[in-house]
Amino acid sequence: EAEVAQSPRYKITEKSQAVAFWCDPISGHATLYWYRQILGQGPELLVQFQDESVVDDSQLPKDRFSAERLKGVDSTLKIQPAELGDSAMYLCASSLFGQGYEQYFGPGTRLTVT
Amino acid sequence: GENVEQHPSTLSVQEGDSAVIKCTYSDSASNYFPWYKQELGKRPQLIIDIRSNVGEKKDQRIAVTLNKTAKHFSLHITETQPEDSAVYFCAASITGNQFYFGTGTSLTVIP
Repeated sequence: EAEVAQSPRYKITEKSQAVAFWCDPISGHATLYWYRQILGQGPELLVQFQDESVVDDSQLPKDRFSAERLKGVDSTLKIQPAELGDSAMYLCASSLFGQGYEQYFGPGTRLTVT
Repeated sequence: GENVEQHPSTLSVQEGDSAVIKCTYSDSASNYFPWYKQELGKRPQLIIDIRSNVGEKKDQRIAVTLNKTAKHFSLHITETQPEDSAVYFCAASITGNQFYFGTGTSLTVIP
C-alpha cells in the first residue's frame, strides 16, 4: 500500500539555526498539506498545495517559515531561524483532490529546538 | 475562520462498552467531517468520514452522525476493545480545503 514519506523522522537543532523537512506524497495525489502538531493538540494546517500552487498559507508564519513544491510532486518545508516554540511534530498529508477529500498522513518529523 | 471544539478531552470505558466523542463546528460552509485515530508516536489514520449530504454513516463497530442544523457531529464506537485505546481527532473541511482539527480525545479502554 502506498504511503506518504517524510524525512528526517527526528531532528534536533539549536535555536537560530535553519532546518528543512521533506515530504513525498502518494503518487498521483495533487493536494499536499503541511501540518504542525504540538504535543497534546490537534494538527494545525500550515500550508496547502494544489499541484505546485499554494492554495492556503494563511497560518504559515511567513517571517521564518517557507514551503515549496516546485514540480508539483515532493515538497520541502523550511524554518529559518528556528525558535524554541517551533518544537513540535511536523506532519505531511496528501489527497486525491477532486475524487474524494480523504487525507493520508506521513509518519511526521519530530523537531526539537534547543 | 472555522472553530472546531471536541469533547471530552479524556474518556475511559470498560471493554465492551460504547464510547461517544462529540465535536461542534462554527462554519456552515464546512461539508466534510473526518475522524482520525492516532496511536502514541504514530501518524493520524482516517477511520471514518461523513459528508454534509449524509446524516449517518457506519462501518462495523464505528459510526458517525452529523447534525448540520446544530453544527455538531459525533463518533460512536461500540463493543470497545483495548486496541481502540488511542487519541481520536475530529476535523471539519470545506471540500478538502482548510482542514480544522479538534483538540483530541484520549480514549482508554479498560480490559
